[in-house]
Amino acid sequence: SQTIHQWPATLVQPVGSPLSLECTVEGTSNPNLYWYRQAAGRGLQLLFYSVGIGQISSEVPQNLSASRPQDRQFILSSKKLLLSDSGFYLCAWKGQGELSNQPQHFGDGTRLSIL
Amino acid sequence: AQSVTQLGSHVSVSEGALVLLRCNYSSSVPPYLFWYVQYPNQGLQLLLKYTSAATLVKGINGFEAEFKKSETSFHLTKPSAHMSDAAEYFCAVTLSGNTGKLIFGQGTTLQVKP
Repeated sequence: SQTIHQWPATLVQPVGSPLSLECTVEGTSNPNLYWYRQAAGRGLQLLFYSVGIGQISSEVPQNLSASRPQDRQFILSSKKLLLSDSGFYLCAWKGQGELSNQPQHFGDGTRLSIL
Repeated sequence: AQSVTQLGSHVSVSEGALVLLRCNYSSSVPPYLFWYVQYPNQGLQLLLKYTSAATLVKGINGFEAEFKKSETSFHLTKPSAHMSDAAEYFCAVTLSGNTGKLIFGQGTTLQVKP
């Protein structure tokens, strides 16, 4: 069966420090991958998605970047964190080529606090 | 363009009472719709999905949703609320195309009172 892992589960970082959040999927090949941010009291905002290795689409301009160095690995990064980067970050996957009626599957998230 | 509106950011019910969480969608093509549940500090878990096979969809934990094209709605219901149902609920619609992107509503927090 397929599983998705995110780490770390929680992270406290000072303003201006770098960031690297990792997401990996097991049990499937060539998935679509997604990064979302959930700020306090707000819904889910899609940040990036990827349909293949090295293929990254950005949904909103921001202080973050994403990379997909391997088929089932998706990394969210920042060179210098801002206070506004605080939030709950969720990674999700969906089978490549699956019909649109198939859902995305989510990891357990990373709680990022910027001090 | 597709969009989703969840009416009511907070819903409070008593234990044993009916749960009704509202979702309206806008889509120029036949939509694929989903309900997800999120417990505190956890990821999203799929409750149910509408795939055009049946208008009444049954999901996990006793939840169900009815697709009503004439009302562009996909409301989530449960006959009898349980304390463990307290969570945040998200309605989502799939964007057309092969990216698999979802458009989410703003979410509804369900409070269950004893």
